[in-house]
Amino acid sequence: EAGVAQSPRYKIIEKRQSVAFWCNPISGHATLYWYQQILGQGPKLLIQFQNNGVVDDSQLPKDRFSAERLKGVDSTLKIQPAKLEDSAVYLCASSDRTLGDYGYTFGSGTRLTVV
Amino acid sequence: ELKVEQNPLFLSMQEGKNYTIYCNYSTTSDRLYWYRQDPGKSLESLFVLLSNGAVKQEGRLMASLDTKARLSTLHITAAVHDLSATYFCAVDFDRGSTLGRLYFGRGTQLTVWP
Repeated sequence: EAGVAQSPRYKIIEKRQSVAFWCNPISGHATLYWYQQILGQGPKLLIQFQNNGVVDDSQLPKDRFSAERLKGVDSTLKIQPAKLEDSAVYLCASSDRTLGDYGYTFGSGTRLTVV
Repeated sequence: ELKVEQNPLFLSMQEGKNYTIYCNYSTTSDRLYWYRQDPGKSLESLFVLLSNGAVKQEGRLMASLDTKARLSTLHITAAVHDLSATYFCAVDFDRGSTLGRLYFGRGTQLTVWP
């Protein structure tokens, strides 16, 4: 089966600019996650969707980050305006427990550098 | 807030040696995951441990879970250079719902030298 697709793979922007990342989860997976992985650290959950609804966005810096999952399939994560500390890899993951599968599948990530 | 602690954070070991990476977590969970990450790459699933006492082995790696002690271990047997990577444990915490979410440790950067 196709994996979790993310684009772009790399992005370099100047601080105060805006940027958007795209994720296409595994077909049929109802739950979608965005994680932020800062260099040298483990991934940190930013937001979790179930279909097109937000389940948990408690760790999302809402003054600058936003995310949506229209139609319950693809998702976009936006940062506006970006700060230097937003430099990280942004990972998208999906899962679906309706068939008793407890696995999570991660995409290749988008590496963001803010200069 | 759920905390996941791995140790050691850095591990340098000689080929052929054995070692164990530890993962402690701060709240009740029956599901724990181990991932491997190579530089510049995404997360590769190694093991999914779904109950107390679960033990899984793949090649030179063996993972176990003790939910009562809130401890998982990843044991490396006769290390080889190809195992050099960063290893993450992640705890699945669902807050009582049927939906889970992963909380990761900081990772253990493993270097295997000849």
